[in-house]
Amino acid sequence: QSVLTQPPSASGTPGQRVTISCSGSSSNIGSNYVYWYQQLPGTAPKLLMYNNNQRPSGVPDRFSGSKSGTSASLAISGLRSEDEADYYCAVWDDSLSGVVFGGGTKLTVL
Amino acid sequence: EVQLVESGGGLVQPGGSLRLSCAASGFAFSRYWMHWVRQAPGKGLVWVSRINSDGSTTNYADSVKGRFTISRDNAKNTLYLQMNSLRAEDTAVYYCATTEGAFDLWGQGTMVTVSS
Repeated sequence: QSVLTQPPSASGTPGQRVTISCSGSSSNIGSNYVYWYQQLPGTAPKLLMYNNNQRPSGVPDRFSGSKSGTSASLAISGLRSEDEADYYCAVWDDSLSGVVFGGGTKLTVL
Repeated sequence: EVQLVESGGGLVQPGGSLRLSCAASGFAFSRYWMHWVRQAPGKGLVWVSRINSDGSTTNYADSVKGRFTISRDNAKNTLYLQMNSLRAEDTAVYYCATTEGAFDLWGQGTMVTVSS
């Protein structure tokens, strides 16, 4: 049972917009920056978003992040087949004094 | 080349010990917080531990506290994870990583299997 709650799966067709949610609490999302990672099959995770809504260079602007209160979300617009991957949110938890990851969302491009 | 390369994984019996290493190259290793993150087969990412740039501050997940020890040697650009009293549930791919702002770097992972 993860401290951060993500839907286990999401799907969309090419060109669609998909949103993945990440729900936490005041000790994590409510008081710290949220990070988002993409993990393609058989590979290490890759940073998609930092500080809630900042994209590292090289990440397409089809990806966007937001945070409100104790929840965050990752939006992917103009869905492409290569976006099919697992997506994880992560944040520091002040109560646990540790990083917590969401359970991950498997995105399928239909 | 900017990279992290883990080593030291393998098969170990329950109750045994293992020491993982993570060799850094191509960036100023001594300036970054470093983390260990693990992923059991078919499961999600789980944070294990972190250490600050000079090694004076460490944090651990409750599941490994008292059993695992993170350390670093900045002269050798190397991060370590000493794992003692290993359990079946510690079986996973272990990644070393650093994420500070936009700078994000992960190793390829090393597999640890705890089984008799």
